[in-house]
Amino acid sequence: DADVTQTPRNRITKTGKRIMLECSQTKGHDRMYWYRQDPGLGLRLIYYSFDVKDINKGEISDGYSVSRQAQAKFSLSLESAIPNQTALYFCATSSQGGVGYTFGSGTRLTVV
Amino acid sequence: RKEVEQDPGPFNVPEGATVAFNCTYSNSASQSFFWYRQDCRKEPKLLMSVYSSGNEDGRFTAQLNRASQYISLLIRDSKLSDSATYLCVVNPLTGGGNKLTFGTGTQLKVEL
Repeated sequence: DADVTQTPRNRITKTGKRIMLECSQTKGHDRMYWYRQDPGLGLRLIYYSFDVKDINKGEISDGYSVSRQAQAKFSLSLESAIPNQTALYFCATSSQGGVGYTFGSGTRLTVV
Repeated sequence: RKEVEQDPGPFNVPEGATVAFNCTYSNSASQSFFWYRQDCRKEPKLLMSVYSSGNEDGRFTAQLNRASQYISLLIRDSKLSDSATYLCVVNPLTGGGNKLTFGTGTQLKVEL
């Protein structure tokens, strides 16, 4: 099993729908992150959490919300999806003082 | 100015060639630096950390120049399997923790 699992892998949804992307990890890391990746823009941070009671906005949090249900689970919600939220979404984890991130395989989201 | 800037490429090189990528960062207080590799539609994976003294891992050499705020990656004896996008990554350490900032990536295509 993957260390960081994202579900679903692919999703097509309609404008205005609420959608949740889920991330779970078996790394035992306390820090979790949500990024989106768009061509030419690279990876941009949406939200991050350094522990279960800690939630922080990243550079592009508008239109998104998150929930840290447990140390191992971090979900990203789009309350009312819009077409410019079409992107590749990655969840990542790290340990405190860790060298780098471990990424999930990504969720390709298309909003039509 | 972007926090991390890279030439997007693509760099098209023949197999066996030596290729170098550069990256500049804007926050002079940044402490940690990395190169990640990302294959098409896949998650980024840590390639190597970058240290002031320079470091080498097989055919890959990374250098950091703090005075000029740039990071380099040298790939010797390029292989077809090196074809990927290489992401320059910086930990700006604003607010603490290891919240990484990603460059948009440099695309490498190694050809026969």
